[in-house]
Amino acid sequence: GQSLEQPSEVTAVEGAIVQINCTYQTSGFYGLSWYQQHDGGAPTFLSYNALDGLEETGRFSSFLSRSDSYGYLLLQELQMKDSASYFCAVRSNFNKFYFGSGTKLNVKP
Amino acid sequence: NAGVTQTPKFQVLKTGQSMTLQCAQDMNHNSMYWYRQDPGMGLRLIYYSASEGTTDKGEVPNGYNVSRLNKREFSLRLESAAPSQTSVYFCASSEAREAGANVLTFGAGSRLTVL
Repeated sequence: GQSLEQPSEVTAVEGAIVQINCTYQTSGFYGLSWYQQHDGGAPTFLSYNALDGLEETGRFSSFLSRSDSYGYLLLQELQMKDSASYFCAVRSNFNKFYFGSGTKLNVKP
Repeated sequence: NAGVTQTPKFQVLKTGQSMTLQCAQDMNHNSMYWYRQDPGMGLRLIYYSASEGTTDKGEVPNGYNVSRLNKREFSLRLESAAPSQTSVYFCASSEAREAGANVLTFGAGSRLTVL
């Protein structure tokens, strides 16, 4: 089966840096993705790591360690608009994607 | 730029009624998915289709059926709705790549309430 663990909620102040961790157990692994979802909206893609290391896209970075079954999303220079839920997702066999339960990020002024 | 289109956006059913959620994508993707999202539980995969004519169960398939009508369309049917199926349903599609990012593109969601 598939299992992904991430913290349920994180709070940070505007301008700060926050890290959201994700650990996973899966029968097949091809990559780890991150998605953002604002209240009432649909999830939107942020980043994808297939190999170990850091991927950077603007203020967002994502890291993967396949040997540790662990990844994280790093958000820098937090803005109020970053308040949302963030989901890690494993790409498994046959291009199936399994999601964690999500981390609600609260950004305070 | 429609992307993934789901209908209806909202639906209220009585226990035992049936209905079909429709999904269509215009990105020529092979892979399509149905997820449900309940508070605090993230997105759970209901069914998956790798290509036209093929479907496969996900994590929570009981009480649902799907049809991959053609490459564009993937429908989800509830034959006899139950209150436990009250949820927000998302359709998604993806281009399966051997290398590079495999990105899920989601529809806007369908909010279903079963009384």
